[in-house]
Parts: sequence; structure tokens; C-alpha cells
Amino acid sequence: GAGVSQSPRYKVAKRGQDVALRCDPISGHVSLFWYQQALGQGPEFLTYFQNEAQLDKSGLPSDRFFAERPEGSVSTLKIQRTQQEDSAVYLCASSGGDSGGFGSVAGYTFGSGTRLTVV
Amino acid sequence: AQSVAQPEDQVNVAEGNPLTVKCTYSVSGNPYLFWYVQYPNRGLQFLLKYITGDNLVKGSYGFEAEFNKSQTSFHLKKPSALVSDSALYFCAVRVLRGSSASKIIFGSGTRLSIRP
Repeated sequence: GAGVSQSPRYKVAKRGQDVALRCDPISGHVSLFWYQQALGQGPEFLTYFQNEAQLDKSGLPSDRFFAERPEGSVSTLKIQRTQQEDSAVYLCASSGGDSGGFGSVAGYTFGSGTRLTVV
Repeated sequence: AQSVAQPEDQVNVAEGNPLTVKCTYSVSGNPYLFWYVQYPNRGLQFLLKYITGDNLVKGSYGFEAEFNKSQTSFHLKKPSALVSDSALYFCAVRVLRGSSASKIIFGSGTRLSIRP
């Protein structure tokens, strides 16, 4: 597609519920990133994929968070047993270059995000 | 620790006046620096980046940024502000992790408000 697409745009989950957030990167983009943005804060890095390989998951806040990109295109971020502190906007970004995307001109292209509210 | 800082939570400027949004960084090696803008309920949009070359980088919507190595700064500037420039601005820097992976880390953001 022309841009990075994320779904759903909004998700309300009851505490303890599992959620899955989807990211469709720009076709052919090698690098894919997930960020978490709490209200009024800057985005915080969660994890990075180069094709299907998850090269960095140092930002995942707990073992309740899991991300995958099995075929090197679409990625899913799963949060198990959601807690109120998980409420945030989850941003996905993709880039055409490898090594974190620094062959591309515009850095990363971000999706509009999924706003997760845990009640 | 590698980091990026935006010392101002909010910047208020009158339309037509010049604006500056400040950013300082701390990284190992040569810095790759970025500015992004975020409008309400929208994703982050790329404005400009510095990798190498001229210290003054020109970007989208008339914005520019000046890389200053001695002061480890990368301030965003625009000669004449527009009301439509009102948004949240993020400075970002590349951080290397090993030889095969890197990531961008973001500052906490500066809310720019342009009054008519």
C-alpha cells in the first residue's frame, strides 16, 4: 500500500483480556518497528524486525508483550493479560533500508497508530 | 547513556515570527538526527534529518534545523511561523545496537503553539 496501515484504530480492552494489534508496512520495506506512546510522551521503542527476524526486542516492557512478523511483511503485536498501564498509542513504522533503515531518505514512515485503552 | 532531550514542553510564538524548538543529544559516534511532527490523532510525519554534510538541513513545510557538534544540538527553526504549524514536535536520534541493528529514540516532545 501507499502507507503504513494499522488496525484497529481504537481498541478498548477489559483488564486481563488479550489483544492483538496489526501493522501492514509499506510493501517491500525490510525494517519494521513498534513503538509505544503514552499520553503526552514521546514514542518509546518496543521492538525491531528486519524481514522476519526480530533483531531487537529490548524495549518490550514485560513477557506479556510479544511481536511477530512470520513472513517478513505484516506484523502483529500481542499483549496478554492487559493491564491499565498498557493504555497507550501503539505506533508501527517501516523503512526500506536495512540496518535500521538508514538507506532510506525519510527515516521511518509511521502508521497512524492504535489507541489502546484498558478499563 | 544515549539520549535525546527537548528542554521545552511548550513553545508559544506569534504568527509571522521566527520559531525555534530546541533539541540536544548524547550518542556514541556520529549522530543521525531527525525531526518529526505529530498532529492530533495522526501518526508521526518526517520533517528532516541530518546524517552528514552541511550543518544546516532544510526539510518539509519550510522548516530547517542546524546541527551543532560542539553544543550537541539540533534545533528546529522556521523563519516565519504559521498557525498551521501548531503541533507536537519530536527530535530523534539513531542509536546503534551491535553491528546489525539500530533504532531511533525520541525526545519527550515540544508542543508548538502559534497564535494568530
